[in-house]
Amino acid sequence: QQQVKQSPQSLIVQKGGISIINCAYENTAFDYFPWYQQFPGKGPALLIAIRPDVSEKKEGRFTISFNKSAKQFSLHIMDSQPGDSATYFCAASKTGGYNKLIFGAGTRLAVHP
Amino acid sequence: EAGVTQFPSHSVIEKGQTVTLRCDPISGHDNLYWYRRVMGKEIKFLLHFVKESKQDESGMPNNRFLAERTGGTYSTLKVQPAELEDSGVYFCASSQQENTEAFFGQGTRLTVV
Repeated sequence: QQQVKQSPQSLIVQKGGISIINCAYENTAFDYFPWYQQFPGKGPALLIAIRPDVSEKKEGRFTISFNKSAKQFSLHIMDSQPGDSATYFCAASKTGGYNKLIFGAGTRLAVHP
Repeated sequence: EAGVTQFPSHSVIEKGQTVTLRCDPISGHDNLYWYRRVMGKEIKFLLHFVKESKQDESGMPNNRFLAERTGGTYSTLKVQPAELEDSGVYFCASSQQENTEAFFGQGTRLTVV
């Protein structure tokens, strides 16, 4: 049973465009929602995270939108760059198991120049 | 400061053989986690050490997997005997506290043939 569903599996965006990756979760006990970025040959690295008390968090070109009632959250990458090409994972966890992360299946993003 | 280091980067073994993966966490990080990603699917939690103690091993697939963290420093994950379905990328992560960011290693790609 997949507790965090991520879409799309792959995404191609032109340089300067907006990349959008969506995730949906089932467990209402989740209260921490991070996004990880992984480059080939490297491990996942924390990109940005949000807690359900806010609906949006922005860090530079990266924004998380959170919809608690719909149990959905998404990552928006504004002005996408070729250097953003990577695999992105959404995840969720709950208090008491902060790093016991439930990951989505990942989205492979390719930003074409 | 050195990050989380995993050895080996790649391992190819035959079904039925034994393989031991090693993880060196960031110095001073008491919390160590093992995760696994199988064939492009989601990254799944395996277990969590606090120092040398297993805090949570609910994600360990079966008793062919044995994780240890003697002395609370590096950790090993042994698979014995390996099966085809054990193929995947094994990630280790460490964090200073249970509720602080976990940093991932580059992973060990295990292929069982």
